[in-house]
Amino acid sequence: EVQLVESGGGLVQPGGSLRLSCAASGFTFSSYEMNWVRQAPGKGLEWVSYISSSGSTIYYADSVKGRFTISRDNAKNSLYLQMNSLRAEDTAVYYCASAGPIPDWGQGTLVTVSS
Amino acid sequence: SYELTQPPSVSVSPGQTARITCSGDALPKQYAYWYQQKPGQAPVLVIYKDSERPSGIPERFSGSSSGTTVTLTISGVQAEDEADYYCQSADSSGTYRWVFGGGTKLTVL
Repeated sequence: EVQLVESGGGLVQPGGSLRLSCAASGFTFSSYEMNWVRQAPGKGLEWVSYISSSGSTIYYADSVKGRFTISRDNAKNSLYLQMNSLRAEDTAVYYCASAGPIPDWGQGTLVTVSS
Repeated sequence: SYELTQPPSVSVSPGQTARITCSGDALPKQYAYWYQQKPGQAPVLVIYKDSERPSGIPERFSGSSSGTTVTLTISGVQAEDEADYYCQSADSSGTYRWVFGGGTKLTVL
């Protein structure tokens, strides 16, 4: 059974940093492209970032470019999102999702940016 | 930037057919995916590659594509189908950037 489990969310002050992790199991993680998607309270889904299976190709949404860094460790079956210079508008539930023929999503982790 | 357009809301009575559309210029070239999201829950994939249904998704959910519009059809709507539905695709530039529609609130009257 495919499982994606996000962790690392929490309350952080504006300008602060947070690192999200996504632990993958039940599939060959190293063969799959991965994404981070977020959802602000009461809002729709917003794609945040993409990383290829090897990690060699990376894309970001304009709203996070220069502040967020996506990475992966295929040996640890893990995906990461380093978030710096956080703003109130980054408050959201963050989901990791595989980009295979049948995408799978985690349950999400809540990030709250507030003083 | 590339956008997908969905109606904000659709309302149907139980047992009727609900159709939710999603429009985007790149849809003839990129697959569409549909997600169902209930309050406080993660999105659940109900249709992939325009018209394929994942295992465990009821047969009343179907997808179709015509030109720049894809449609999620729910036949014989049940009360439990009340949820937000999002279409998702990718832009056509080959950058694998996901794009989401704004979401459609399905209300079962």
